[in-house]
Amino acid sequence: QVHLVQSGGGVVQPGRSLRLSCEASGFTFSTFVMHWVRQAPDKGLEWVAAVSRDGTKEYYADSVQGRFAISRDNSENTLFLQLNSLTFDDTARYYCAKEPGGVSDNWGQGSLVSVSS
Amino acid sequence: EVVMTQSPGTLSVSPGERVTLSCRASQNVKNNVAWYQQRPGQPPRLLIYGASNRAVGVPVRFSGSGSGTEFSLSISDVQSEDFALYYCHHYNNWPRWTFGQGSKVDTK
Repeated sequence: QVHLVQSGGGVVQPGRSLRLSCEASGFTFSTFVMHWVRQAPDKGLEWVAAVSRDGTKEYYADSVQGRFAISRDNSENTLFLQLNSLTFDDTARYYCAKEPGGVSDNWGQGSLVSVSS
Repeated sequence: EVVMTQSPGTLSVSPGERVTLSCRASQNVKNNVAWYQQRPGQPPRLLIYGASNRAVGVPVRFSGSGSGTEFSLSISDVQSEDFALYYCHHYNNWPRWTFGQGSKVDTK
C-alpha cells in the first residue's frame, strides 16, 4: 500500500526558511516523478514544483522560482522542498504527490506552513 | 499559460440527484484532463484521468467526458459522501500542472 508521510512545516517569520519532507513507502520511489502542490487557506490547489525520477531535473511555478528548491533522495525514498525567503503569500498546506503518468494517484496528508510576523 | 475555468462555483443538490460540473480550458489541452475530489481536511483524491477514465476504486456513478477545451464531470445518484469540492486539472504542459478554481457540491 502506498504511503506518503510528510513532516516539517510550522510557523515561520517572513524572510525565513523551512524544509518539508515526504517519506514514501509501498512503491518503487525512484521510478516516479514527484510533485509538490499547495493550498492556501480556503483556496484552490496550486502546483509548486516537480522533480524528475533521478532528481536531475527540477521544475517550478513562477511564484516560487528562485526561492524554493525541490530535491529527492532515492536511497532514502524521500522527497524534499526547501522553502526560502518566505512571504505571507506562501502560507498554505503543502502536499507531496506521486505521479504515475501526468496525474497524481497518491497524495501526502499535507504540511501546514504559516508565515507570520 | 492555460487557464482552467470551472462552473458552477457551488451546486446544491439532494441525494439521489444527478450532478454535472463543467471545466473550460483557455486553449486546447487534448484529453489531458483529470478530476479530483477533496473532502474537508483531506488531500485530493483522483477520480478521472485522460478526461474519461475512472481511477482505481472510483464508483461507476462518476464519469468524465470532453476533449479539447470543454470537459465535464458527472455524478449520477449523488450520495452523501459525494458532497465535497471538485477540481479539474490539466497536464498538457507536463510536468507543470494547472488546476481549476474548484466547484463545491453541497446539500440542498
